[in-house]
Amino acid sequence: EAQVTQNPRYLITVTGKKLTVTCSQNMNHEYMSWYRQDPGLGLRQIYYSMNVEVTDKGDVPEGYKVSRKEKRNFPLILESPSPNQTSLYFCAVVRDDYNEQFFGPGTRLTVL
Amino acid sequence: QKEVEQDPGPLSVPEGAIVSLNCTYSNSAFQYFMWYRQYSRKGPELLMYTYSSGNKEDGRFTAQVDKSSKYISLFIRDSQPSDSATYLCAMRTGNQFYFGTGTSLTVIP
Repeated sequence: EAQVTQNPRYLITVTGKKLTVTCSQNMNHEYMSWYRQDPGLGLRQIYYSMNVEVTDKGDVPEGYKVSRKEKRNFPLILESPSPNQTSLYFCAVVRDDYNEQFFGPGTRLTVL
Repeated sequence: QKEVEQDPGPLSVPEGAIVSLNCTYSNSAFQYFMWYRQYSRKGPELLMYTYSSGNKEDGRFTAQVDKSSKYISLFIRDSQPSDSATYLCAMRTGNQFYFGTGTSLTVIP
């Protein structure tokens, strides 16, 4: 079964404590992306990666880092989380023709 | 001004009604238009995709794009309680995707 997995699904942390949200896919697609979803603001693209070792900033990259060392994994790193990064995060894998995105189940992050 | 504007609703309709969901956009570079459905506590799932002006039909769903007016719509015919969800419009230019804020729809049996 084609899947996008994210871990953890829920996380409560404190300001400044580094964290990583993992994303993994078994679809063998090149393009992976991270979004955050906030009420009234919708889904906003944080970073995306067109290929291994290639990453680009989306609309709201400040405070986030990503890496793409292998095709199937695309972790999102918050080096020093702040309360304004409290949000629902989605990893997505884009089909190679760019016509469809497959979203993971989401990670609800709370930064106190 | 946001690049993609979508009426957040909420929208509540009786079962069997025709539903119209709309988005407007400001960026002429948007070339591809999508509608996603998001159930509570789930990730969005693609409903329909189109890249040209005009209508595209898939079962009870019709996507309409008017590039001259920068306006897209999704029509749901014979709405069902299972259609209750948040509907997100999305657009692409180059390698980047932009989403509307979503419209919450409830179909009452």
